[in-house]
Amino acid sequence: AQSVAQPEDQVNVAEGNPLTVKCTYSVSGNPYLFWYVQYPNRGLQFLLKYITGDNLVKGSYGFEAEFNKSQTSFHLKKPSALVSDSALYFCAVRDIGGTASKLTFGTGTRLQVTL
Amino acid sequence: DAGVIQSPRHEVTEMGQEVTLRCKPISGHNSLFWYRQTMMRGLELLIYFNNNVPIDDSGMPEDRFSAKMPNASFSTLKIQPSEPRDSAVYFCASSLVGARGTEAFFGQGTRLTVV
Repeated sequence: AQSVAQPEDQVNVAEGNPLTVKCTYSVSGNPYLFWYVQYPNRGLQFLLKYITGDNLVKGSYGFEAEFNKSQTSFHLKKPSALVSDSALYFCAVRDIGGTASKLTFGTGTRLQVTL
Repeated sequence: DAGVIQSPRHEVTEMGQEVTLRCKPISGHNSLFWYRQTMMRGLELLIYFNNNVPIDDSGMPEDRFSAKMPNASFSTLKIQPSEPRDSAVYFCASSLVGARGTEAFFGQGTRLTVV
């Protein structure tokens, strides 16, 4: 069975500082990995994905993530945090072994950026 | 495209009543997911469809929950009878499974309150 772990319930960072939100995954085959963001009373919004190729992927709003196969990790990063980045962040994995595959989410990490 | 459309946005019902949540996926997408989000349990996958066929319903809590996808442009999630513990935000998401288009797009959710 596939799974995603987000070990931190909350991450606090000062505006202008770099941020990292951690994610590790477990799948039986090759993973497709995703990050989503959720603002209050809204649905989840897609940020970025890793399918294949370069291990460093860039996404929306200046976010990037690094795929590390040996550590089975896909941490979300941003060089300089903004207060407006404060939200709930979800990591997700999809095991593409065929045409039918489930999308499994982690428990989410709340990012709080302060002035 | 207008994105994934869910209705209603809010639903308040009395315990024991039947509740039907509706979802219109993005045109051309061939996978559809129903998720439930609560503070206690986070984001749970209830069921997902591929090409209108239910693939995995292991997340459906019990027999009171049922989901259908009669065609590629419409899905329903029904709870009968509803109970207070069903109160949550229910999200529908759709995606195109393939080499590139693997991210899922979420609707705005239906906030269900059972009193």
